[in-house]
Amino acid sequence: DTGVSQDPRHKITKRGQNVTFRCDPISEHNRLYWYRQTLGQGPEFLTYFQNEAQLEKSRLLSDRFSAERPKGSFSTLEIQRTEQGDSAMYLCASSPLSGREQYFGPGTRLTVT
Amino acid sequence: QKEVEQNSGPLSVPEGAIASLNCTYSDRGSQSFFWYRQYSGKSPELIMFIYSNGDKEDGRFTAQLNKASQYVSLLIRDSQPSDSATYLCAVIFNDYKLSFGAGTTVTVRA
Repeated sequence: DTGVSQDPRHKITKRGQNVTFRCDPISEHNRLYWYRQTLGQGPEFLTYFQNEAQLEKSRLLSDRFSAERPKGSFSTLEIQRTEQGDSAMYLCASSPLSGREQYFGPGTRLTVT
Repeated sequence: QKEVEQNSGPLSVPEGAIASLNCTYSDRGSQSFFWYRQYSGKSPELIMFIYSNGDKEDGRFTAQLNKASQYVSLLIRDSQPSDSATYLCAVIFNDYKLSFGAGTTVTVRA
């Protein structure tokens, strides 16, 4: 399977804990995106990487959120001091530099108790 | 003001009928338009994209784009129970960032 992969698929954590999610994009896709989706809504853009450079961060991404993409391959999204409002599906997508179509991974469902 | 609006649904159609989903967008400069299908508890799956005015057909799916009216639609012909899902309209407003509508839930009655 050469699609986007994400790990873990589910995460339950207590409020105040830190969590980290990983995304592996489709091979040779230069662009990588993180989105967040809550129940009944479409995904909302969080951040975007082109190779290893983080080119945009949404206002939704508070100081508690940080994302990295070392060496332009996989990416991590860390949430520090989680809050109940962080409970959502965190989606990763990738696209080639030459294309506009974005392909999503299976997502990580975060529940903060 | 929301950037992408979809008809609220839910939409219930009998098996074999045509399901019609509509989407409007606010930015007249938008160039790229996408339809994603999302089954309950799963992630969005890209099913159609359209960049030019007119119709684009892929199997039982047809996407229609009218940039002058800022309107994009998706028709699902010969609807099957497996088409029951939420359909998300998405628009790229700049080079890369997708903006999504809230989705329309379709139920195909056997």
